[in-house]
Amino acid sequence: QKEVEQDPGPLSVPEGAIVSLNCTYSNSAFQYFMWYRQYSRKGPELLMYTYSSGNKEDGRFTAQVDKSSKYISLFIRDSQPSDSATYLCAMMDSSYKLIFGSGTRLLVRP
Amino acid sequence: DTAVSQTPKYLVTQMGNDKSIKCEQNLGHDTMYWYKQDSKKFLKIMFSYNNKELIINETVPNRFSPKSPDKAHLNLHINSLELGDSAVYFCASSQVGRADTQYFGPGTRLTVL
Repeated sequence: QKEVEQDPGPLSVPEGAIVSLNCTYSNSAFQYFMWYRQYSRKGPELLMYTYSSGNKEDGRFTAQVDKSSKYISLFIRDSQPSDSATYLCAMMDSSYKLIFGSGTRLLVRP
Repeated sequence: DTAVSQTPKYLVTQMGNDKSIKCEQNLGHDTMYWYKQDSKKFLKIMFSYNNKELIINETVPNRFSPKSPDKAHLNLHINSLELGDSAVYFCASSQVGRADTQYFGPGTRLTVL
């Protein structure tokens, strides 16, 4: 079993939809949770990071962490075609090594 | 201005050859990383350097040797290339102690024939 599980998709939604992207993890030592966006043939770009259970909002993006369920989510409101990319969750424990999910490919249709 | 840059962008080579990938960051960061992304998009850390000192060395064949001439540069040398080395290699950097906030380069797509 992988430490971090993420549905590869693709997830196809119409423009303006609310998108929900999720990851589950098995290592209860993970303390830091990140979401990266990766456009095709580009490097990953950090979207959000959070350390605690609960919600963190940044513009149209909300990161949610539920440590008791070992489950994290990224919500995108009012999705745009420019949001079409692969979204990677990443986690870290005190070793400071990032462990990535395999990514979910998102397609927002105009 | 490019924050983390890598050269070359594409690298096509034959099995058995030796090749190097260069990485430079102009963010003033002290920590740099190398990642490998396979064909299934799975991104895995290979090495991490902090101020030119190796701090993370994952289970990577010793054909892979990172070199950090100064804290702004982290190069990756690969000896005796194998088919399974074909992947996209990403360099990243962060402030020391801030591995949660890493900045990635554009990647080097390595194809071994």
